[in-house]
Amino acid sequence: GAVVSQHPSRVICKSGTSVKIECRSLDFQATTMFWYRQFPKQSLMLMATSNEGSKATYEQGVEKDKFLINHASLTLSTLTVTSAHPEDSSFYICSARERSRPYEQYFGPGTRLTVT
Amino acid sequence: QKEVEQNSGPLSVPEGAIASLNCTYSDRGSQSFFWYRQYSGKSPELIMFIYSNGDKEDGRFTAQLNKASQYVSLLIRDSQPSDSATYLCAVFASGGSYIPTFGRGTSLIVHP
Repeated sequence: GAVVSQHPSRVICKSGTSVKIECRSLDFQATTMFWYRQFPKQSLMLMATSNEGSKATYEQGVEKDKFLINHASLTLSTLTVTSAHPEDSSFYICSARERSRPYEQYFGPGTRLTVT
Repeated sequence: QKEVEQNSGPLSVPEGAIASLNCTYSDRGSQSFFWYRQYSGKSPELIMFIYSNGDKEDGRFTAQLNKASQYVSLLIRDSQPSDSATYLCAVFASGGSYIPTFGRGTSLIVHP
């Protein structure tokens, strides 16, 4: 149980284009989803927290107009990187939790984004 | 600023030895403590969690919590090369936000 998927696993895009990453909870209802970014040999950096049906809460320093997060259903959240630049190249990881177990986060496999 | 500190390592241990990974935190009111393992290029996976002072054992893993000293440890017995990974400590502070603070992780290398 508690499986989270992400799609795509790897994406290469050109500078200036937008990329959408999907995060799905496959066998539970994810009332909250988190989006993280991780640069090589660095720790996880929380970008935003989204609750189903609500606007995402962004961490300080994360541009909400650049990283659009939608959590329209209890099983799906999307992160859109708009007008991507090479410095946005990173490993993006989502995690999800259900209401009954608020401390337990289950991570998706991650999406490797490369912007050329 | 709630902080979670881990020695980045690498911690190198021989196969079969006990690996001891430590984590300290700044928020005295922290409630829940989680350990994740992250292989290179992969996302974190939950190993175990602990809420109460003392030890909690799960197979080869033991989590130890000392709230008075504000540290949590993860012991890995009979370490195997497949245990080589980065271990992340995550701490949930008081206040009910249910958003963890992650440490930077400790890199563990188990050599044959």
